[in-house]
Amino acid sequence: EPEVTQTPSHQVTQMGQEVILRCVPISNHLYFYWYRQILGQKVEFLVSFYNNEISEKSEIFDDQFSVERPDGSNFTLKIRSTKLEDSAMYFCASSDRDRVAGANVLTFGAGSRLTVL
Amino acid sequence: ILNVEQSPQSLHVQEGDSTNFTCSFPSSNFYALHWYRWETAKSPEALFVMTLNGDEKKKGRISATLNTKEGYSYLYIKGSQPEDSATYLCAINNAGNMLTFGGGTRLMVKP
Repeated sequence: EPEVTQTPSHQVTQMGQEVILRCVPISNHLYFYWYRQILGQKVEFLVSFYNNEISEKSEIFDDQFSVERPDGSNFTLKIRSTKLEDSAMYFCASSDRDRVAGANVLTFGAGSRLTVL
Repeated sequence: ILNVEQSPQSLHVQEGDSTNFTCSFPSSNFYALHWYRWETAKSPEALFVMTLNGDEKKKGRISATLNTKEGYSYLYIKGSQPEDSATYLCAINNAGNMLTFGGGTRLMVKP
């Protein structure tokens, strides 16, 4: 069964460093997403991406964050200057074109755990 | 801010017990409700997507119902098995593609 793959599975970084989290979405999917879960909290939406541009983003997704689809297969999340509060599990997801508006079924990756020291 | 609540937070049952848990959400601007099953160290796996009031979906021993007028969904597991142990996440679309998640219900099934 097709799956979304994420690398690295765990990254430890120093505060202020740049981090790039990588994702390979399912090949025929058109919508791409990043979510995160801070330990003990709810899963939170960060950003959605369609047709090579951001379609929605949350308040969390400030100027420190950026996303890119550098080639036909990868989808990356960059955090320019990490803060302690960026420590979380970051999930990539992808979905097909929605046949019924609002009912895209997301396929998630297993997550990348980011620890900022 | 859309608030999605799940209860209970955690649940311990014996193998063979049937169980259910709840997802509550604001009924205004509702688009779709998603249930995901998330085992530790794995990807959250989509179980159901429901859009219409009164929807009922079933997958093996797991089923879900939706009431959009009063803003809740129930997930039922019949005859729980140890492999059902996971966190069950509910999420709502109210517009666009963004999902708002509840806090999850952590189910542990003892053999």
